[in-house]
Amino acid sequence: GAVVSQHPSRVICKSGTSVKIECRSLDFQATTMFWYRQFPKQSLMLMATSNEGSKATYEQGVEKDKFLINHASLTLSTLTVTSAHPEDSSFYICSARRGATNEKLFFGSGTQLSVL
Amino acid sequence: AQSVTQLDSQVPVFEEAPVELRCNYSSSVSVYLFWYVQYPNQGLQLLLKYLSGSTLVKGINGFEAEFNKSQTSFHLRKPSVHISDTAEYFCAVSDGTYKYIFGTGTRLKVLA
Repeated sequence: GAVVSQHPSRVICKSGTSVKIECRSLDFQATTMFWYRQFPKQSLMLMATSNEGSKATYEQGVEKDKFLINHASLTLSTLTVTSAHPEDSSFYICSARRGATNEKLFFGSGTQLSVL
Repeated sequence: AQSVTQLDSQVPVFEEAPVELRCNYSSSVSVYLFWYVQYPNQGLQLLLKYLSGSTLVKGINGFEAEFNKSQTSFHLRKPSVHISDTAEYFCAVSDGTYKYIFGTGTRLKVLA
């Protein structure tokens, strides 16, 4: 099956620093990737949709300047948490859509971000 | 608007016993339905999905789910669970667009 690689799997950073998370589709081209956030014991919340070659579409309530998304190629999308604070600590997961329909959505293994 | 309800936050069950994880959804349009499993510190893995056709869907690891349109349910079942099935299970719905709506998850704990 299709593979989506997410890196790093775990990161600890100091408050005020920026952290970049990468999401790669290893064996298919993904024109669309999605970024989710998961709080402990809660479900995944869609943060934004990343489209190759264009600006990301953010969900209501998600700060665009805080969570910078770049989708520079058909196999890579990055999420940068800028000036991270402890409240940004969370589990971030990406997914990539293969093809034109959403029945083929593949998830990365997630990144646990801890901001001290 | 769509929504997904997973009524049970935790389900303890003894090894080799059957299990059912409940999922109900609401939607005004036709839906696609999914079950995902999440092991600790890992991402989501697709267990099974309903797109159309037969209402009984078989997935990986011996799981199956039945789409019941009249009851707007998509319950997940396994006739005999293993310790390795201990994980968080998420039900999700999509109307065919890129947006998936996830339930709050059910933690399945298999006891020896």
